[in-house]
Amino acid sequence: DSGVTQTPKHLITATGQRVTLRCSPRSGDLSVYWYQQSLDQGLQFLIQYYNGEERAKGNILERFSAQQFPDLHSELNLSSLELGDSALYFCASSIGQGEGYEQYFGPGTRLTVT
Amino acid sequence: AQSVTQLGSHVSVSEGALVLLRCNYSSSVPPYLFWYVQYPNQGLQLLLKYTTGATLVKGINGFEAEFKKSETSFHLTKPSAHMSDAAEYFCAVSLTGTASKLTFGTGTRLQVTL
Repeated sequence: DSGVTQTPKHLITATGQRVTLRCSPRSGDLSVYWYQQSLDQGLQFLIQYYNGEERAKGNILERFSAQQFPDLHSELNLSSLELGDSALYFCASSIGQGEGYEQYFGPGTRLTVT
Repeated sequence: AQSVTQLGSHVSVSEGALVLLRCNYSSSVPPYLFWYVQYPNQGLQLLLKYTTGATLVKGINGFEAEFKKSETSFHLTKPSAHMSDAAEYFCAVSLTGTASKLTFGTGTRLQVTL
């Protein structure tokens, strides 16, 4: 158990809908990262927050947005869902924001868009 | 741009045999390198990391990796495979100035046979 929690574990929804994925980092960690894992794209970095502020953006679609709240939990919002958004979404956390810090991954949320 | 190449999407070894999973990176600056393992239906678990200093890095579960700058490689090894090592292994890189986002290789699925 990494100490990172993600809810829900599974999510099935229809195209065009909007969903919210939630992540609670390990106790004491200030950075939260979101990654997407799909068969065709592999593991891709989406976005990072550190202590409530956005720090880095990767291949995140405009239909996707995220935020980190004062209690440090984070939410990833996916809207206007398409079939291709079906994937495993991981949250990770680390104590710091710089390179070299170990990132601890949650169990993931499996999103299926039908 | 940084990239990570994992040679061999599938590797099969006999129980007790040497495990060698290959990872090469491309980067114009010294990277931070990581190996993660993913068991079925689980998140990613950090096996080991290289930041600076000793180039031979020891990780959990008997795994180790050696950073070879001249070969731009960070291959993962384990002297004797165990059935419980069967999983998918990901090499990842993080570069200075990238706010610690991880760029992952495509993964290598390790099969261990009797």
